[in-house]
Amino acid sequence: AQSVTQLDSQVPVFEEAPVELRCNYSSSVSVYLFWYVQYPNQGLQLLLKYLSGSTLVKGINGFEAEFNKSQTSFHLRKPSVHISDTAEYFCAVSDPGGYQKVTFGTGTKLQVIP
Amino acid sequence: DVKVTQSSRYLVKRTGEKVFLECVQDMDHENMFWYRQDPGLGLRLIYFSYDVKMKEKGDIPEGYSVSREKKERFSLILESASTNQTSMYLCASTLGVNTGELFFGEGSRLTVL
Repeated sequence: AQSVTQLDSQVPVFEEAPVELRCNYSSSVSVYLFWYVQYPNQGLQLLLKYLSGSTLVKGINGFEAEFNKSQTSFHLRKPSVHISDTAEYFCAVSDPGGYQKVTFGTGTKLQVIP
Repeated sequence: DVKVTQSSRYLVKRTGEKVFLECVQDMDHENMFWYRQDPGLGLRLIYFSYDVKMKEKGDIPEGYSVSREKKERFSLILESASTNQTSMYLCASTLGVNTGELFFGEGSRLTVL
C-alpha cells in the first residue's frame, strides 16, 4: 500500500520569507502526486498536481512543487509567503489506474508570522 | 464550478444513536468518497463508491456503512455512534477519468457525547 510522509507537523515562517514543506511517498511505481490546502473550517482544495511530464509543477497562489523520482519526494515551495497562506497543507498520492483512491499525509500546518 | 455539499456542518449526537451524513455533488462525477480527518492523522478513507449502488471499503470502514442510491448522493451511516467517532467527516468526488483530483465538501464536524 502506498504511504505519504510529511515529517513537519508545523512550520512557522515570517511573512515574505520563503518556505518549503516536505513530502515523501513510498511507492516505487508510477504515481500521481498532489498538494491540497485546507483553510480553517473549510474543506480541502487542490493547490497543484503532478501526473506526468515536467517535474516542476506550478500551482495556484504562487506555489510550486518538484517531483523527484529518485528521492521519492514532492516538496512544496513558495518564494515569499503571505499571511493569507496560513493553513494546513496535505500531500497526497494515488495510482494512475484503479478507482483513484487517494492516500493523504498527516498534514503540515503553515503559520505565517507578521 | 464543481460543488460538493454536505448537509450538516455541525452535529452533536449521543452514544448509540444512528447518524446519517449526507453528501451531494452536482457535476455528474462517477466516484465519491468519505474521509475522516483527525488531528495528527490526516485524512483516512472510510468508504468509496465508483458507481450507483457500488461501494468499496477504505482503510477504516469499521463502524460505518454507506449508501449510494443515486449518482449524485453518497451517504455515510453510523449505525450506533460511539465517542471515538467524534471527528471531522469530509466527502469528496471525482470524475471517472484518470485525473485523481478530488473535489471536497466543507466537512461535517460530528461530536458524539
